[in-house]
Amino acid sequence: GESVGLHLPTLSVQEGDNSIINCAYSNSASDYFIWYKQESGKGPQFIIDIRSNMDKRQGQRVTVLLNKTVKHLSLQIAATQPGDSAVYFCAENILGWGDDKIIFGKGTRLHILP
Amino acid sequence: DADVTQTPRNRITKTGKRIMLECSQTKGHDRMYWYRQDPGLGLQLIYYSFDVKDINKGEISDGYSVSRQAQAKFSLSLESAIPNQTALYFCATSDSTGMGGYTFGSGTRLTVV
Repeated sequence: GESVGLHLPTLSVQEGDNSIINCAYSNSASDYFIWYKQESGKGPQFIIDIRSNMDKRQGQRVTVLLNKTVKHLSLQIAATQPGDSAVYFCAENILGWGDDKIIFGKGTRLHILP
Repeated sequence: DADVTQTPRNRITKTGKRIMLECSQTKGHDRMYWYRQDPGLGLQLIYYSFDVKDINKGEISDGYSVSRQAQAKFSLSLESAIPNQTALYFCATSDSTGMGGYTFGSGTRLTVV
């Protein structure tokens, strides 16, 4: 069945280091992927997205990598800052399916160590 | 002002009571969703609506109902609240293309005692 999951539920990273958060998806028909950030007491916020015709997309301090061969998605955060502490969700979708709904992973909590 | 506004932010209610959670949006999006989030679990879809006349059940619709009063408003009701409905509830919106993902509200923390 369809599933979106994360390899690690918690990740601790030293401030200033780079963070890599991983995600596996199982539906090979998914063609659109999104990373969300959820800070304590807030709703998830869109960080970056990528379509399946790309394997890399960069934003401000964030990069998403997509490996369709192994159905793997990762979020890289450069020079991690205290404000990056949050739960990060990956999500998958099939655009134009007519009944498309995003499927969310359970999330990885990112801890920033001083 | 927030693009997606949920009220109330926090609510404590008694078992058996009826409660309504409200959501309004200024994004102009056609699609609206209600999700539930429990500690350690992902977001679970309760109901969704692709336009004013369209209502669809999600994964966990039992014990819940919704009303899409207008394009901008989508409310969630618990007809007879029970303690295992204690959770964080999120409303979200998206446009019809699906691109850009969802815009979420800040959530309603509901406690049923």
